[in-house]
Amino acid sequence: AQRVTQPEKLLSVFKGAPVELKCNYSYSGSPELFWYVQYSRQRLQLLLRHISRESIKGFTADLNKGETSFHLKKPFAQEEDSAMYYCALSALYGNKLVFGAGTILRVKS
Amino acid sequence: ETGVTQSPTHLIKTRGQQVTLRCSSQSGHNTVSWYQQALGQGPQFIFQYYREEENGRGNFPPRFSGLQFPNYSSELNVNALELDDSALYLCASTPGGLAGELFFGEGSRLTVL
Repeated sequence: AQRVTQPEKLLSVFKGAPVELKCNYSYSGSPELFWYVQYSRQRLQLLLRHISRESIKGFTADLNKGETSFHLKKPFAQEEDSAMYYCALSALYGNKLVFGAGTILRVKS
Repeated sequence: ETGVTQSPTHLIKTRGQQVTLRCSSQSGHNTVSWYQQALGQGPQFIFQYYREEENGRGNFPPRFSGLQFPNYSSELNVNALELDDSALYLCASTPGGLAGELFFGEGSRLTVL
């Protein structure tokens, strides 16, 4: 079975502080991992996916198969990063996403 | 480029009734997926339609059914509504039958009384 766990419901940091949103997954096959973000009053949208190995809006995420983790990191948080973040998993070439419960990131000034 | 649109945005039904939710996919996308998002939870996969055929289904009972039309728009039908069906229903489209990058609509919020 595929499962995604985001242990923190809420992460509150000060502007300029480093951010790490945790994501652990359970899947026996080859996974594709994603981070989706929902800003206030906007629709859910893709932030980044592990296969692209990009940095988007200063965020990066590395797939660690040994620890089955895909944590999202940013060295210096900005107020506009405040949003709900969802980690999601798909089987390689799969047709569905399994989402975690989400973490609210609140960046305080 | 027109994004994913869903209707209605909000609706209230009573237990036992039936509901139909509608979704227009993003231009050029031939795959539509439906997700249910209960309060405080992440979206949960209901099913996907690819070229008018069901292409995968999550752990939802048969009273959840769907359609995809030749223009790739889609409907989600739920029969015999239960209180636990109260949720935000999200439609997402993608250009191809894989999960990949999903383009979401704003959702239809269903309340069952």
